[in-house]
Amino acid sequence: DAGVIQSPRHEVTEMGQEVTLRCKPISGHDYLFWYRQTMMRGLELLIYFNNNVPIDDSGMPEDRFSAKMPNASFSTLKIQPSEPRDSAVYFCASRPSGTGNFNEQFFGPGTRLTVL
Amino acid sequence: DQQVKQNSPSLSVQEGRISILNCDYTNSMFDYFLWYKKYPAEGPTFLISISSIKDKNEDGRFTVFLNKSAKHLSLHIVPSQPGDSAVYFCAASPWSGNQFYFGTGTSLTVIP
Repeated sequence: DAGVIQSPRHEVTEMGQEVTLRCKPISGHDYLFWYRQTMMRGLELLIYFNNNVPIDDSGMPEDRFSAKMPNASFSTLKIQPSEPRDSAVYFCASRPSGTGNFNEQFFGPGTRLTVL
Repeated sequence: DQQVKQNSPSLSVQEGRISILNCDYTNSMFDYFLWYKKYPAEGPTFLISISSIKDKNEDGRFTVFLNKSAKHLSLHIVPSQPGDSAVYFCAASPWSGNQFYFGTGTSLTVIP
């Protein structure tokens, strides 16, 4: 399996622009997670889906952030409008139900976002 | 508010010696703890876990210790190898949840 796939790997944009990050989870995984990594706060869970349904979005920082999962193989995280403080690495992760290592999540390589 | 804290941003250790990475948490509801390892330009990968019913879990060179009364866990790597050089994240969760709380990471450098 190719693992979790994220695109783009790097994104540089200007303040005010719309940014869309994409994720393809591992086939058969029915949980999908979006995280943001910053130096100050480490990895923060933004939102997670189960069977394409958003379960907990309490980590989404504000209304400028939105996430969708139209089908089991694709999810997007959108920031509109983007701001310099959104600059971070965004990770997508997935896991199947009932894993042996209970809650082990499989992470993608991340998207490094820079908002100028 | 950080519920999981890794107070040492970095650590350097000689090859062959023991590496000890520490993690503290504040929420007594946490029952499950994991360590992830992250190389540059890659996503974190699962390393080892421990549940609150245990105080120690071993996997080869890696051992995690849990002290619930102190709300503290540590990862021991013995012997340390240059390939262990990476950022290590501690994470904690209530048993029944998908909500993982991560620390800010500790960057380990193993010097040959």
